[in-house]
Amino acid sequence: QVQLVESGGGVVQPGRSLRLSCAASGFTFSSSVMHWVRQAPGKGLEWVAVISQDGTNKYYADSVKGRFTISRDNSKNTLYLQMNSLSVEDTAVYYCARDTSGYCGHWGQGSLVTVSS
Amino acid sequence: DIVMTQSPDSLAVSLGERATINCKSSQSILYSSNNKNYLAWYQQKPGQPPKLLISWASTRESGVPGRFSGSGSGTDFTLTISSLQAEDVAVYYCQQYYSTPRTFGQGTRLEIK
Repeated sequence: QVQLVESGGGVVQPGRSLRLSCAASGFTFSSSVMHWVRQAPGKGLEWVAVISQDGTNKYYADSVKGRFTISRDNSKNTLYLQMNSLSVEDTAVYYCARDTSGYCGHWGQGSLVTVSS
Repeated sequence: DIVMTQSPDSLAVSLGERATINCKSSQSILYSSNNKNYLAWYQQKPGQPPKLLISWASTRESGVPGRFSGSGSGTDFTLTISSLQAEDVAVYYCQQYYSTPRTFGQGTRLEIK
């Protein structure tokens, strides 16, 4: 079955960087478009970024554009989110999700990122 | 960007009664070439990731109980739970996937009355 496992979250100071990973299994990762979606504590879902199957096409929410970079390593079945210049507003649970015809068909359990001094 | 607006923000319904959640997009998400509405519904229970319930506005995911149904077209959509069960307590989100960014509604919290 499809499994997505995020890792790399933690507590980080404002202005610092963090990289999240999402290990995928149970499906052909290299054939799947992948997303990152985040959820601030007690708030709703916010789409963050998407990457094409081969990694050549990437799109970002305006709130993270220029600071976050989505990437993937199809040889390792792993999705990444490099987060730079973090601010307190980036505090959230970050989910990776597998795209199914455009929508998020499968979700990981999430990784909590807390930005605090 | 397409703005998705859900109503109400919260809803309390008695067990066995019908629950209706609305979702409105700021522009049409009906793709004319295939006559499909690019609208998904998700359910999120406390401490869990979202779960896909419905895609293409009305196609129920495998394993989703038949009491869940989606309807609507163009800019106005509805998620209906025909007979509320205790396990349906959750926050429900709509999302458009017609264009990027893939925007979500703000969520509707469903509780038992």
